[in-house]
Amino acid sequence: SQQGEEDPQALSIQEGENATMNCSYKTSINNLQWYRQNSGRGLVHLILIRSNEREKHSGRLRVTLDTSKKSSSLLITASRAADTASYFCAYLSGYSSASKIIFGSGTRLSIRP
Amino acid sequence: EAGVAQSPRYKIIEKRQSVAFWCNPISGHATLYWYQQILGQGPKLLIQFQNNGVVDDSQLPKDRFSAERLKGVDSTLKIQPAKLEDSAVYLCASSLDRTGDGYTFGSGTRLTVV
Repeated sequence: SQQGEEDPQALSIQEGENATMNCSYKTSINNLQWYRQNSGRGLVHLILIRSNEREKHSGRLRVTLDTSKKSSSLLITASRAADTASYFCAYLSGYSSASKIIFGSGTRLSIRP
Repeated sequence: EAGVAQSPRYKIIEKRQSVAFWCNPISGHATLYWYQQILGQGPKLLIQFQNNGVVDDSQLPKDRFSAERLKGVDSTLKIQPAKLEDSAVYLCASSLDRTGDGYTFGSGTRLTVV
């Protein structure tokens, strides 16, 4: 299967702490994206990092990409209760006519008040 | 800018019945995707269109699932006949092109097969 793997599968932290989620993939990629999904809702795009980038920031989010290890991490700093959700990485695999976006298995993040 | 529209929002059917889902992508988006998301899992790509042509349908169960995008805009996904294991959220997404630029999801259709 080309599906990416994420770890941990579930993470529970105290409000205010930092949360780190990891994503590993198997193929060469064009870009990698992170999404958030609240229970029963659609996927919301958070951030995109291209294969020639190593780190990207957006507000309290920090994404890193290591193409040599085929892995990415998402760091959420100073977590809030509203950050409780599932987080998925998704990567563009292949090039040109063969490219498609593949999702990881997800990390369920719970923020304790 | 209007997002990706999907309908219906929810659907409950009995096994062996048929069901159809509709998706209207963002205007100008050439690439359209249908995903199946089973509870607790990540979305699985079922089919990808580029305009009105199929780019990838390798994970589409073709004995019961079909999809079309006749005019390169709206798309429908059909299941006939439905099985219990088809219970999932069916997500439609669109992007400007196959690089995934402007990749946007609809809110999905939650299907329950009883």
